Amino acid sequence: EPEVTQTPSHQVTQMGQEVILRCVPISNHLYFYWYRQILGQKVEFLVSFYNNEISEKSEIFDDQFSVERPDGSNFTLKIRSTKLEDSAMYFCASRGTGGRETQYFGPGTRLLVL
Amino acid sequence: AQTVTQSQPEMSVQEAETVTLSCTYDTSESNYYLFWYKQPPSRQMILVIRQEAYKQQNATENRFSVNFQKAAKSFSLKISDSQLGDTAMYFCAFANYGGATNKLIFGTGTLLAVQP
Repeated sequence: EPEVTQTPSHQVTQMGQEVILRCVPISNHLYFYWYRQILGQKVEFLVSFYNNEISEKSEIFDDQFSVERPDGSNFTLKIRSTKLEDSAMYFCASRGTGGRETQYFGPGTRLLVL
Repeated sequence: AQTVTQSQPEMSVQEAETVTLSCTYDTSESNYYLFWYKQPPSRQMILVIRQEAYKQQNATENRFSVNFQKAAKSFSLKISDSQLGDTAMYFCAFANYGGATNKLIFGTGTLLAVQP
């Protein structure tokens, strides 16, 4: 069964460093998402991406964040200058065409900023 | 703005028994979807069940079923014959139908512990 994959599974970084989180969505999906979950809290929407552009972003998704689909398979989230409060689990999700498709989540990347 | 509320932070059930998790939501939209996602200790998000608002029939997936009350904006999850592997955090989520993003809006979750 197709699945969303994410790398790395864990990342530890120093405050101020740049990180890139990678995702490979399900191959025939066209809508891509990043969500964040701070430990012990609910999952929050960050950004959605369709047709090579951002379709919606949340208040959390400020200028420190960017997303890119550099090729036909990868979808990345970049945090330019990490802060302590960026420590969280980051989930990538994808869905197929049409408004009825379910979003399928990757296993997440656990980011720790020291 | 849409909101999702889960009023039970934690619940416990004995193995083989039935448990119901509550969820309410608020929206002015008429076409939308509701979901229950399971998050075990590995923290992976796993889809349990989904309900389309235009369908009157409640969704079922094996031991999992929902009670969808559209007028009351209520969407509860019933787990029958609970198993130890059902121990997890359960999130209720909402998504508009047909929007540009169909982003998911999550509740705060219910931590379910299945006791042997």
